[in-house]
Amino acid sequence: DIQMTQSPSVMSASVGDRVTITCRASQAISHYLAWFQQKPGTVPKRLIFAVSTLQSGVPSRFSGGGSGTEFTLTISSLQPEDFATYFCLQHFSFPYTFGEGTKLEIK
Amino acid sequence: QVQLAQSGAEVKAPGASVKVSCKAFGYAFLNFYMHWVRQVPGQGLEWIGLINPRGSGTTYAQKFQGRVTMTRDTSTSTMYLELSSLTSEDTAVYFCVRSSGTPGDYWGQGTLVTVSS
Repeated sequence: DIQMTQSPSVMSASVGDRVTITCRASQAISHYLAWFQQKPGTVPKRLIFAVSTLQSGVPSRFSGGGSGTEFTLTISSLQPEDFATYFCLQHFSFPYTFGEGTKLEIK
Repeated sequence: QVQLAQSGAEVKAPGASVKVSCKAFGYAFLNFYMHWVRQVPGQGLEWIGLINPRGSGTTYAQKFQGRVTMTRDTSTSTMYLELSSLTSEDTAVYFCVRSSGTPGDYWGQGTLVTVSS
């Protein structure tokens, strides 16, 4: 199984900050990487797929990058509604696997 | 618009089975694979498997092999997840998740399955 190691697990930041979350895959996964946002009590929402393609309706302050085994989700200027938990997902090989999540908290 | 409507919460005894449904609205049912994912409350996401609505081919995570069955009813545009030999570790919210190449463009609202004696 491909392990997805996400870091940090918890991050404190302020409105307006630029933040970056990283996912490292235990082997190369090509472009089969997506990012999701989940707020308490709600269903996960897909933000980015194919490493860097923004889901329709997602603000442009979100961006994805990386290749091979290391991938990033960047929020260029944090907004109050961005405080949530973020997960990565690899769908290169079965079983598909998620990162453990990064909880983004208000500093 | 696209909607995935799941069945309601379930409470099951250890050793029992549970069957969760996911009815699809607003899109061509046969054209999109469906995944099932679960989440222990307050924890991460775990992929269970997928089903191809055309021909009902399935792929399951090895962890669940032998006790998971995914099926579909094309006449009602409904997907089903059945999990048997339940233990307390199966207590989680179960989601159906549509795939448009990449999983996750639409999610069901989730079904809480509680395994308790």
